[in-house]
Amino acid sequence: AQSVAQPEDQVNVAEGNPLTVKCTYSVSGNPYLFWYVQYPNRGLQFLLKYITGDNLVKGSYGFEAEFNKSQTSFHLKKPSALVSDSALYFCAVRDKDSSASKIIFGSGTRLSIRP
Amino acid sequence: DGGITQSPKYLFRKEGQNVTLSCEQNLNHDAMYWYRQDPGQGLRLIYYSQIVNDFQKGDIAEGYSVSREKKESFPLTVTSAQKNPTAFYLCASTSGLAGGEQFFGPGTRLTVL
Repeated sequence: AQSVAQPEDQVNVAEGNPLTVKCTYSVSGNPYLFWYVQYPNRGLQFLLKYITGDNLVKGSYGFEAEFNKSQTSFHLKKPSALVSDSALYFCAVRDKDSSASKIIFGSGTRLSIRP
Repeated sequence: DGGITQSPKYLFRKEGQNVTLSCEQNLNHDAMYWYRQDPGQGLRLIYYSQIVNDFQKGDIAEGYSVSREKKESFPLTVTSAQKNPTAFYLCASTSGLAGGEQFFGPGTRLTVL
């Protein structure tokens, strides 16, 4: 069975500081991994994904994520946070080796950037 | 512009009434999904469809029904059997290609009065 864990309900960071939003996953095969962002009363927006290849993936708005197979993690990072990065962030996983097309989402982490 | 549209944005329903939420996509995607999001919680899968005229129950299908008569449309009906329907409903689609990400609509907020 697939699962995703986002261990922090909320992350607070000062503007200009680096940020990390944590995600760990469990799949029986190899994973496809995704990060999405949600602003209030809006749908989710795709940020980036890991399919294969380079473990460091770069995405929208200066975000990046590092795939670590041994730690089964896919943490979202940004070198310098902006107040406008404040939002709800979701990690998601799909089992690459399964014929099912469902994506499993984590419970979300609220990122708050203080000026 | 290509994308997913959901209507209406806000919907109010009296207890005991059925209501249908619209979801349309012009991305030519095969697979479509309905999720429910409650305050402070993640997304829970209600129903999904990988192809026209076929759909499967997700994790919380009770009290909901769907149809997939056309590739671009995947309406969700919230029936009176759904005991706590007040929530934010999100529709999504994906191409079905390996590693394809989901594209989301703007959501419909349903409130039961």
